Amino acid sequence: AQSVAQPEDQVNVAEGNPLTVKCTYSVSGNPYLFWYVQYPNRGLQFLLKYITGDNLVKGSYGFEAEFNKSQTSFHLKKPSALVSDSALYFCAVRDRGTYKYIFGTGTRLKVLA
Amino acid sequence: NAGVTQTPKFQVLKTGQSMTLQCAQDMNHEYMSWYRQDPGMGLRLIHYSVGAGITDQGEVPNGYNVSRSTTEDFPLRLLSAAPSQTSVYFCASSPGTGEGGAFFGQGTRLTVV
Repeated sequence: AQSVAQPEDQVNVAEGNPLTVKCTYSVSGNPYLFWYVQYPNRGLQFLLKYITGDNLVKGSYGFEAEFNKSQTSFHLKKPSALVSDSALYFCAVRDRGTYKYIFGTGTRLKVLA
Repeated sequence: NAGVTQTPKFQVLKTGQSMTLQCAQDMNHEYMSWYRQDPGMGLRLIHYSVGAGITDQGEVPNGYNVSRSTTEDFPLRLLSAAPSQTSVYFCASSPGTGEGGAFFGQGTRLTVV
């Protein structure tokens, strides 16, 4: 069965430190990979996506993600965390040529001042 | 740009009542979908549509109906509300099977008492 795993319910990091939010997937073929962020009482906002090419993808607000095909992972990273980065982060995958997304369960990021 | 618009933002229903959650997008997207978000469970797909006149069930369709008479609109109907349907509901749209990501509405927080 196709699935997306976000193994950490919550990640705490001090402001200014690097952050990583983990995502692994189990989907056949070469899916599109996405990260979304959700702030309180808001919908999900697109952060970045991996389609093809360079394994390091840069997105909004200084975030980047590293695609690793052999480990089927797509970890979200930021070199220096801000308190305003505190939010709920979702990893998602979509098979090429299909419409349907599969979302992870989300990871709550708390950046401590 | 309005993007994806959901109404209402909040709703309280009594058990057994019916209601319709509205969703409209102005981006001429083919694909629209409804998710519910519950703590610890991420986003679960309720119903989706790949174009006007075409709908299909997602992961958790029971108790919900949808229709897609136009490209723009994709309402979600609760037939007889139950407390288990207390959740936050998100509508999303995306352009198709290509590289683009999904756009989400702001959500509807529904409480069934």
